[in-house]
Amino acid sequence: QQPVQSPQAVILREGEDAVINCSSSKALYSVHWYRQKHGEAPVFLMILLKGGEQKGHEKISASFNEKKQQSSLYLTASQLSYSGTYFCGTENSNTGKLIFGQGTTLQVKP
Amino acid sequence: NAGVMQNPRHLVRRRGQEARLRCSPMKGHSHVYWYRQLPEEGLKFMVYLQKENIIDESGMPKERFSAEFPKEGPSILRIQQVVRGDSAAYFCASSPFRQGVDEQYFGPGTRLTVT
Repeated sequence: QQPVQSPQAVILREGEDAVINCSSSKALYSVHWYRQKHGEAPVFLMILLKGGEQKGHEKISASFNEKKQQSSLYLTASQLSYSGTYFCGTENSNTGKLIFGQGTTLQVKP
Repeated sequence: NAGVMQNPRHLVRRRGQEARLRCSPMKGHSHVYWYRQLPEEGLKFMVYLQKENIIDESGMPKERFSAEFPKEGPSILRIQQVVRGDSAAYFCASSPFRQGVDEQYFGPGTRLTVT
């Protein structure tokens, strides 16, 4: 069951903030966040396992709600290097199978 | 420690030919995952393998596609009798432990073009 990401696309100016959401209709086992630049491999950002968890640093962080059905990625004071497509990958149960959302394209302009 | 390696990086095949994609996981990683990505789309899970075992192949088409991860050597994704719709980027990822609780490290991908 594919998670739903929103928004589909975001355009920012340098220094602005963005939030990307990832939602599932059922409780999740874990959520992974990746960033992919055009023509390159996805790069791991972080993994969340526990309901109510928040992790990351001040610039890029993520949360996992108590019901474990929604995760949000927070990008603060965006930089040009943040541009790319962000994917959440979710695991519905303890199976080892990761299903990715459709992606959110972020473009940061000078 | 070298990262996940995939070869070839680009592969061109004519319709009906076979494509073999190779993936060498990071040293010490015994879990390998294959994904397919169509242009401007997300990553679609294909198969999850451990050494000599297929753990989950629910994302793999029933016909023409097969995968293996032998005791020695790289993991191989094999596509027989390729069709134009097989054109995509194929990524493999590896992890030291089971996927859900661990970071996956992605390889650079193989871009398959079927003419």
